[in-house]
Amino acid sequence: GDSVTQMEGPVTLSEEAFLTINCTYTATGYPSLFWYVQYPGEGLQLLLKATKADDKGSNKGFEATYRKETTSFHLEKGSVQVSDSAVYFCALSKTGANNLFFGTGTRLTVIP
Amino acid sequence: GAGVSQTPSNKVTEKGKYVELRCDPISGHTALYWYRQSLGQGPEFLIYFQGTGAADDSGLPNDRFFAVRPEGSVSTLKIQRTERGDSAVYLCASSLSGFTNSPLHFGNGTRLTVT
Repeated sequence: GDSVTQMEGPVTLSEEAFLTINCTYTATGYPSLFWYVQYPGEGLQLLLKATKADDKGSNKGFEATYRKETTSFHLEKGSVQVSDSAVYFCALSKTGANNLFFGTGTRLTVIP
Repeated sequence: GAGVSQTPSNKVTEKGKYVELRCDPISGHTALYWYRQSLGQGPEFLIYFQGTGAADDSGLPNDRFFAVRPEGSVSTLKIQRTERGDSAVYLCASSLSGFTNSPLHFGNGTRLTVT
């Protein structure tokens, strides 16, 4: 079945460090891929998405590229800030489907 | 503007009892989703409404779970004969027309604890 495997956390980084959170997926066909973020005390919100192979989603300095050859959608940011501390979820949806499959989430803590 | 509102934020109930969880979506959003998030896991899909009808209820775990959206706005998730395994955070989300074209907006969830 369709699934998403995310890098386990927690991840602790110093401010201005480089961030990578790995995400790989299993799905038939051509899913759309998403990263959602949950800041402390807030609901999940969409961070970025990519709908086809080689697409790059980007937002707030974060980027992720849809790699069909490696079935991956790794999240990266060149220089993290304390305000990026949150839980990050990778997710996929199948074309025409009504639901999202989420990974287990990765908690990021950025220390000053 | 107001986001997705879920009430109550916390609910503690005894095993075997009936509970109702409420979701107020963003005004004008036709699509509404319920997800369940167990400790240490990502959200799992339960049910999707488009307007008043349940377009996809394939994620409901069994017939103790039921959801309604009678006027195409507020939705209620109903759980009968609760079990300890039902303890989780129940998330509601809405979108303008379905998440493939417009982003999902999530509420803060209702944390259900069954004792």
